[in-house]
Amino acid sequence: GNSVTQMEGPVTLSEEAFLTINCTYTATGYPSLFWYVQYPGEGLQLLLKATKADDKGSNKGFEATYRKETTSFHLEKGSVQVSDSAVYFCALSEDSWGKLQFGAGTQVVVTP
Amino acid sequence: DGGITQSPKYLFRKEGQNVTLSCEQNLNHDAMYWYRQDPGQGLRLIYYSQIVNDFQKGDIAEGYSVSREKKESFPLTVTSAQKNPTAFYLCASSSNRVGAFFGQGTRLTVV
Repeated sequence: GNSVTQMEGPVTLSEEAFLTINCTYTATGYPSLFWYVQYPGEGLQLLLKATKADDKGSNKGFEATYRKETTSFHLEKGSVQVSDSAVYFCALSEDSWGKLQFGAGTQVVVTP
Repeated sequence: DGGITQSPKYLFRKEGQNVTLSCEQNLNHDAMYWYRQDPGQGLRLIYYSQIVNDFQKGDIAEGYSVSREKKESFPLTVTSAQKNPTAFYLCASSSNRVGAFFGQGTRLTVV
């Protein structure tokens, strides 16, 4: 079956540091890939997506590239802010974009 | 504003009780979903519905039931058969043009 593996957290960074969260997946077909962000006590917000190989999703300074050859979709941001502190989820979908397979989530803590 | 509304935000259930979580959307999305989130884990799919009057089981449907009588509404009932219901429950709706939108969640606790 399909699965998503993310690096474990928490990831603790200083403000303005570079952030990378690794995500790899296994899938039988050609999934769409997503990053979601969850702030404390809230639901998930779609951060970015990519629907085919070599696509780059980007939003709010975050980027991720769909790498079919390495089955990866790593999330990066060049300079994090305290407000980026949250839990980040990598997810895939092979059909309906709401029917998602999630990774376990990675907590990111950014300190001033 | 368009969005998904879940209620209540907090819910307490006694042993042996059924409880119903509400989910309403005004995004005109056909598809709706229920996910369960446990601490330190990702979300797991309970049930989903792609059209009114039709729904399918997800990965962890045992002990749960749903209905989809209206496009806007997709309530989830946590039955007494669900042995470990304490969790954070998230409802979502989706369109393939923009992806999935999530509600703010309902935190269910067994007392």
